[in-house]
Amino acid sequence: NAGVTQTPKFQVLKTGQSMTLQCAQDMNHNSMYWYRQDPGMGLRLIYYSASEGTTDKGEVPNGYNVSRLNKREFSLRLESAAPSQTSVYFCASSEVLAQDLEQYFGPGTRLTVT
Amino acid sequence: DAKTTQPPSMDCAEGRAANLPCNHSTISGNEYVYWYRQIHSQGPQYIIHGLKNNETNEMASLIITEDRKSSTLILPHATLRDTAVYYCIVRVEGTGNKLVFGAGTILRVKS
Repeated sequence: NAGVTQTPKFQVLKTGQSMTLQCAQDMNHNSMYWYRQDPGMGLRLIYYSASEGTTDKGEVPNGYNVSRLNKREFSLRLESAAPSQTSVYFCASSEVLAQDLEQYFGPGTRLTVT
Repeated sequence: DAKTTQPPSMDCAEGRAANLPCNHSTISGNEYVYWYRQIHSQGPQYIIHGLKNNETNEMASLIITEDRKSSTLILPHATLRDTAVYYCIVRVEGTGNKLVFGAGTILRVKS
């Protein structure tokens, strides 16, 4: 099992450019999440998908869109990148079992917007 | 939503037990306490969770007070590889399976 994989690992964008961050999990989990982590800060939830076909906003959704392509894949799109979106982006997944919130995280994508 | 309070940093000698406290005085009766850690530059890693009773697994023990207003994560024999940021999290009610991460405690294990 690879667990949660993310591509790319690193990316540099110019202001106004667009890109899509890819995330896939092979654990047959129902729920998937995108977080961002700014230097010296905790994680903040951008969007989540409780199950295939559904997506919802988290704490900081502005400037992002998501697609739950199928049960395995959950992508995050920046339509017009801004320097404030410079951050490390983590994808996570979990089963949906009652109160079980054990989430598995990917290695992260380090994004710099100049 | 229940909030958590953790000390910003702690030091521990290698081989000794590391005891990381967390206050969650506004926790609701059916909210769980979760602990995660994040080793530098990596994604967070689940450690343990509990509701009322003390819990133990291969990584750590979780002690929850009887009134549930605070808890302690115990790493019984800390190693240098346990140096990380440790997050105490209470499940957010009514908002799906989401976790809210605070600033956490930086644990430094020293030889």
